[in-house]
Amino acid sequence: GAVVSQHPSRVICKSGTSVKIECRSLDFQATTMFWYRQFPKQSLMLMATSNEGSKATYEQGVEKDKFLINHASLTLSTLTVTSAHPEDSSFYICSARDRRTNTEAFFGQGTRLTVV
Amino acid sequence: GEDVEQSLFLSVREGDSSVINCTYTDSSSTYLYWYKQEPGAGLQLLTYIFSNMDMKQDQRLTVLLNKKDKHLSLRIADTQTGDSAIYFCAENNAGNMLTFGGGTRLMVKP
Repeated sequence: GAVVSQHPSRVICKSGTSVKIECRSLDFQATTMFWYRQFPKQSLMLMATSNEGSKATYEQGVEKDKFLINHASLTLSTLTVTSAHPEDSSFYICSARDRRTNTEAFFGQGTRLTVV
Repeated sequence: GEDVEQSLFLSVREGDSSVINCTYTDSSSTYLYWYKQEPGAGLQLLTYIFSNMDMKQDQRLTVLLNKKDKHLSLRIADTQTGDSAIYFCAENNAGNMLTFGGGTRLMVKP
């Protein structure tokens, strides 16, 4: 299957700082990428949908000024957690939909963010 | 609204078959997916089925879809210890986004 690379896999940052997470589709182009958040022992919660060349669409309750999403190219989307707080500590996962098939959504490895 | 439900936990012995069940509510779903998540990792797409299909088989995996009852199942034949993981079903809704079930933790005992 197609490969989605997410980086970093783990990051620890201090409260008040910003953290950027990258999501790349390695062998396909993705017009749409999705960002999810997963709390321990829970399912994935969709945070936002990122479309190349346009503004991201955020789900209700997700602060767009806090979780900045940039989808600059057909293979790269970034999520920046700004002014991080301990409650932002979570597992963040991106997924990308192959523009050729628009059927399968492939997921990155996830990023475990710990804010201290 | 959309709702996808799964049982929380399933325990089987190595070599037995595992059946993980999922129910969904959105009748407009076009595709339904099964993902596997190992500890600390992202999601791995196992298989998916188009909504006009009843069954799809891929090696040890068999997906059954009962569209009338909005019931999806994943059968893993000859379950191995390496199959121990959390399995998520997901539906592709009209907005072309995925809605996930809560996940079923599969434990395979040797």
